Amino acid sequence: AQTVTQSQPEMSVQEAETVTLSCTYDTSESDYYLFWYKQPPSRQMILVIRQEAYKQQNATENRFSVNFQKAAKSFSLKISDSQLGDAAMYFCAYRISGNTPLVFGKGTRLSVIA
Amino acid sequence: GAVVSQHPSRVICKSGTSVKIECRSLDFQATTMFWYRQFPKQSLMLMATSNEGSKATYEQGVEKDKFLINHASLTLSTLTVTSAHPEDSSFYICSARDPQRGDADTQYFGPGTRLTVL
Repeated sequence: AQTVTQSQPEMSVQEAETVTLSCTYDTSESDYYLFWYKQPPSRQMILVIRQEAYKQQNATENRFSVNFQKAAKSFSLKISDSQLGDAAMYFCAYRISGNTPLVFGKGTRLSVIA
Repeated sequence: GAVVSQHPSRVICKSGTSVKIECRSLDFQATTMFWYRQFPKQSLMLMATSNEGSKATYEQGVEKDKFLINHASLTLSTLTVTSAHPEDSSFYICSARDPQRGDADTQYFGPGTRLTVL
């Protein structure tokens, strides 16, 4: 069975600094997708960034980037120039192709200190 | 991204009553939607896969007679919590993907429904 592990229940970062959130996953599939979702206090799930497993290049979205290590089954999220609005729960998620659901990690709560 | 709505956003009901939660894809058609449940300070747990025109697929441990799912059209899936009890109080979230979009592999989420059973 596929599993997603986020080993950091909580993290904190100073405003304008950089923070990295860790995620590892276990799968026997070769074709899959990885995601980071943000859940602020409103509880709306917001897509932060996505990565196709067949792409070697790490995905980047403005201040958010990932370090995708396929062989190590690692998918960390780096947030640069952290802002107060980045404070939220962050969930790492995985899915295979087709009409399949997401498998989520337990989440990391990120606090941003002014 | 693709827009998914849920209604109601919040509902309070008495124990023993039934509650219906709607999930709609507003700007696309979704043959498949997913229903998740989230307890406070926990992750999302998949409850079931809703398939348009056919029966839903439930995850192990989820009572299909208690959590009725109907996906009658390509834009609407409903979750009915029957004979609700206080332990059913939770945050329910649906998701769907738009297979016509460039990011067709991405699931988009509704804003969620907070259910409180008294």
